Amino acid sequence: GAGVSQSPSNKVTEKGKDVELRCDPISGHTALYWYRQSLGQGLEFLIYFQGNSAPDKSGLPSDRFSAERTGGSVSTLTIQRTQQEDSAVYLCASSLGSGNVGGYTFGSGTRLTVV
Amino acid sequence: AQSVSQHNHHVILSEAASLELGCNYSYGGTVNLFWYVQYPGQHLQLLLKYFSGDPLVKGIKGFEAEFIKSKFSFNLRKPSVQWSDTAEYFCAVNAAGGYQKVTFGTGTKLQVIP
Repeated sequence: GAGVSQSPSNKVTEKGKDVELRCDPISGHTALYWYRQSLGQGLEFLIYFQGNSAPDKSGLPSDRFSAERTGGSVSTLTIQRTQQEDSAVYLCASSLGSGNVGGYTFGSGTRLTVV
Repeated sequence: AQSVSQHNHHVILSEAASLELGCNYSYGGTVNLFWYVQYPGQHLQLLLKYFSGDPLVKGIKGFEAEFIKSKFSFNLRKPSVQWSDTAEYFCAVNAAGGYQKVTFGTGTKLQVIP
């Protein structure tokens, strides 16, 4: 597609429920990133996928968070047993390759609210 | 690991004023540097980037940034701001060469008053 597409745009969930967030990167972009943006916190790196290589999961805050990327394209970020501190905007970005030569292209994000 | 500091959290300027947003990074090796902008209700977009060569980088909408290696800085400048520049600005850095995740600063909110 023309840009990075994320769904849903907004998600309200009850504490303890699981949620899935979806990211559809730009066609041809081999690198895909998930970040979390909390109020006053900047952007927090979560996970990175590059082609068929093992993902860099070093930013995942707990084992309740996991992500998959199927077929080198669409990615799903799953948060299990959501907590109120998980409330944030979850951003997906893609780029042409691992060197970030062109910089990232971001999606519009999923605003997650845990009540 | 690298880190980024943006010292100004909120800046208010009148139209036509000059802008300089500070950005300092912490990393001992060669870096790539970025400024991203997020306009109200819109997603993050790349404003400008530095990889190598001329340390004065020009971006879109009249913005520029200067990489000063000795000061570990990459300040963003614009000689005359417009109301439409109201946005949040993020400085970012990654280590050069191969995959290195990008680390973002906490952002600076710029409000331009007509």
